[in-house]
Amino acid sequence: SQQGEEDPQALSIQEGENATMNCSYKTSINNLQWYRQNSGRGLVHLILIRSNEREKHSGRLRVTLDTSKKSSSLLITASRAADTASYFCATASQAGTALIFGKGTTLSVSS
Amino acid sequence: ETGVTQTPRHLVMGMTNKKSLKCEQHLGHNAMYWYKQSAKKPLELMFVYNFKEQTENNSVPSRFSPECPNSSHLFLHLHTLQPEDSALYLCASSQELYGYTFGSGTRLTVV
Repeated sequence: SQQGEEDPQALSIQEGENATMNCSYKTSINNLQWYRQNSGRGLVHLILIRSNEREKHSGRLRVTLDTSKKSSSLLITASRAADTASYFCATASQAGTALIFGKGTTLSVSS
Repeated sequence: ETGVTQTPRHLVMGMTNKKSLKCEQHLGHNAMYWYKQSAKKPLELMFVYNFKEQTENNSVPSRFSPECPNSSHLFLHLHTLQPEDSALYLCASSQELYGYTFGSGTRLTVV
């Protein structure tokens, strides 16, 4: 069953702007992960934030986690055309044996 | 190359055919997964293998048959598929649930 739900479903911005994507989840988590997928390819792991962390940075990526609201956000600063992709959040399944992914946010960055 | 290799990249098969998808990883990961990605749907977890033992079968129809002969190789045997089985099939590996490494996927078309 689906655990994470990304919002918005689609986002179009200009190069240089910031992009913010949100993820809501249903059950308690140990960590939440963000992945990126270029069209028709496999997903690439971007960043993992643990349940006891509130914010994490990696290059132009900033992830926040609010466990009280069961939500996370991914901010991409100074976006580039190469950031055009789908972005997914993922959390562990209830059985704890695998990751469950949301439907994703499709980001389009135009130059 | 991500370290997870999937073959073939594209596959067209008739509904009466038998074919196999192959996934190989040499990252030393202990877990391997099959996911199905259909248009406009979240990634669907199909099978989970941990130390080559199947730990999860997510109610997948028997026309999909996984095989994991060792911790580095994972197969998905396909027979008598339906057109709705056309999708991108993704293999991933991980050490525990921290940071999946995905293959590039097999684009399957059932005719």
